[in-house]
Amino acid sequence: AQKVTQAQTEISVVEKEDVTLDCVYETRDTTYYLFWYKQPPSGELVFLIRRNSFDEQNEISGRYSWNFQKSTSSFNFTITASQVVDSAVYFCALSEFNQFYFGTGTSLTVIP
Amino acid sequence: DTEVTQTPKHLVMGMTNKKSLKCEQHMGHRAMYWYKQKAKKPPELMFVYSYEKLSINESVPSRFSPECPNSSLLNLHLHALQPEDSALYLCASSQASGTGAAGNTIYFGEGSWLTVV
Repeated sequence: AQKVTQAQTEISVVEKEDVTLDCVYETRDTTYYLFWYKQPPSGELVFLIRRNSFDEQNEISGRYSWNFQKSTSSFNFTITASQVVDSAVYFCALSEFNQFYFGTGTSLTVIP
Repeated sequence: DTEVTQTPKHLVMGMTNKKSLKCEQHMGHRAMYWYKQKAKKPPELMFVYSYEKLSINESVPSRFSPECPNSSLLNLHLHALQPEDSALYLCASSQASGTGAAGNTIYFGEGSWLTVV
């Protein structure tokens, strides 16, 4: 079974639109960590955020925000007022039991 | 700017060549990783070094040979590769040992794009 599911394979939005990337995870552990990474075409995986299972507060960083809901095992990522530079593949990841699992990624294209 | 640096950025090699990918981190991390990533796929773990010792080998073929000369450096020696080995190779590091131990963030380099011809 997939530990991290990113059901949206590809998304296209027009610049300045808001966009939400979905992430659903599966774990039996009570202590776990969730991450989002951005991978632009250049290749580098850029760390965006880490959230532990005991902290359900939503996080906002500039145009980025994250909504963590344990009740639905989701950790969704919203980009407000998208820009062309946001075009990238975004990976959600789960760390539990000393293992690290990536989702399959969502490719976001922001059209100028 | 990334604190995990990889060289070379691009490498083209023949199937009989021997080459190496190099990685360096200056964050004082004690765990270092090699990942392989094919197009439109997530990264796949290859090797983990913890305190300069190989702790995980994900059944990687012997034509890939990792080396950790010290806590800051990680190499991947390549020999007799196949065209299907063409991929992006990502080096990474984290504070603690193990893959994501205790939720430690894994920091990645820019990757080395490898093409085997």
